[in-house]
Amino acid sequence: DGGITQSPKYLFRKEGQNVTLSCEQNLNHDAMYWYRQDPGQGLRLIYYSQIVNDFQKGDIAEGYSVSREKKESFPLTVTSAQKNPTAFYLCASSMTGQGTYGYTFGSGTRLTVV
Amino acid sequence: QKEVEQNSGPLSVPEGAIASLNCTYSDRGSQSFFWYRQYSGKSPELIMSIYSNGDKEDGRFTAQLNKASQYVSLLIRDSQPSDSATYLCAVKGDSNYQLIWGAGTKLIIKP
Repeated sequence: DGGITQSPKYLFRKEGQNVTLSCEQNLNHDAMYWYRQDPGQGLRLIYYSQIVNDFQKGDIAEGYSVSREKKESFPLTVTSAQKNPTAFYLCASSMTGQGTYGYTFGSGTRLTVV
Repeated sequence: QKEVEQNSGPLSVPEGAIASLNCTYSDRGSQSFFWYRQYSGKSPELIMSIYSNGDKEDGRFTAQLNKASQYVSLLIRDSQPSDSATYLCAVKGDSNYQLIWGAGTKLIIKP
């Protein structure tokens, strides 16, 4: 079945560490997105990518980095520069072009600083 | 700045009643509108999409769109406790593929 796979489901980070969250999709979607969600809050866009080898900053990109070397994969690195990384991270994908396409989400990664 | 506004709630509705969720948007050029349901600790899932003015029904769910007044609503008939969740409204303009998200309305269905 087609879908988006995020791993790991839970991740613990020590102070000063970089950690990488995985996101893989087999929907043949061109666009992929990373969102952060804090308790009781809405979705905030971190990075997005429309095509391979190209990505743009969202509203809260500071302290995060991404790569898009393959259409199927869009990993997110939370760097030590992100001072408050504890949150629920969601990856999504969508088709692009003319048309009315929603997003498909992965199951999320819950990151906790220990 | 394109915005999507939702009442954060919580909205409390008795079981079996109609739950009405509302969303307003600022970009008059918006073309597509989506309602997502998010259970606590889970990822959002798409439940309704609407593109034309008027009503669109799918089972117990009805989406209503009024582009002139720039609002979209979601009605849930015969509300069940399993409908208790946060409902996110998302809007797409005609210039790109990105969705603009509301902060969500928390719905509580009381048995």
